[in-house]
Amino acid sequence: QKEVEQDPGPLSVPEGAIVSLNCTYSNSAFQYFMWYRQYSRKGPELLMYTYSSGNKEDGRFTAQVDKSSKYISLFIRDSQPSDSATYLCAMSETGRRALTFGSGTRLQVQP
Amino acid sequence: KAGVTQTPRYLIKTRGQQVTLSCSPISGHRSVSWYQQTPGQGLQFLFEYFSETQRNKGNFPGRFSGRQFSNSRSEMNVSTLELGDSALYLCASSLGTGRADSPLHFGNGTRLTVT
Repeated sequence: QKEVEQDPGPLSVPEGAIVSLNCTYSNSAFQYFMWYRQYSRKGPELLMYTYSSGNKEDGRFTAQVDKSSKYISLFIRDSQPSDSATYLCAMSETGRRALTFGSGTRLQVQP
Repeated sequence: KAGVTQTPRYLIKTRGQQVTLSCSPISGHRSVSWYQQTPGQGLQFLFEYFSETQRNKGNFPGRFSGRQFSNSRSEMNVSTLELGDSALYLCASSLGTGRADSPLHFGNGTRLTVT
């Protein structure tokens, strides 16, 4: 079983929809949680970065971390065709820079 | 501010050869990490350098090595290339090890094809 599980999709939604992306993990030592967006032929781009449990909002993006359930989510409001990409969750332990990534969810927003 | 720069963008090598990839971090970032991305295994951590010292290493064979220079620029080397080394190699930089407000920022990678 992988340390971080993420549904690969693809997830197809109409423009304007609210998108929910999720990851589960098994390592209780993970304290830092990130969401990256990766377009084709590009490197991952950092979207959200949170520490421990709680919510964080940045524009149309909201990240949630529930450490008790070992579950993290990324919500995208008012989705746009330009949001079509692969979304990767990533996590790390305190004091360790090495990230453990989910396999990525491919999102397609239809105009 | 310029992002993480990786060169070259594309490389084609033959089995048994060796290859060196280069990474220039964001100005002021002192930590550089390397990752391998493949369709089957996803993104996997190779190693991290901070102040010219390797701080963490992933589960890769000794054919994979790296180094960091005093200006924080980094190189990784893969010797005796195998077909399975074909991948996108990503470099990421951050301010430094242990800083809670220091996430990783990635470059666009070097696409290595081994034939």
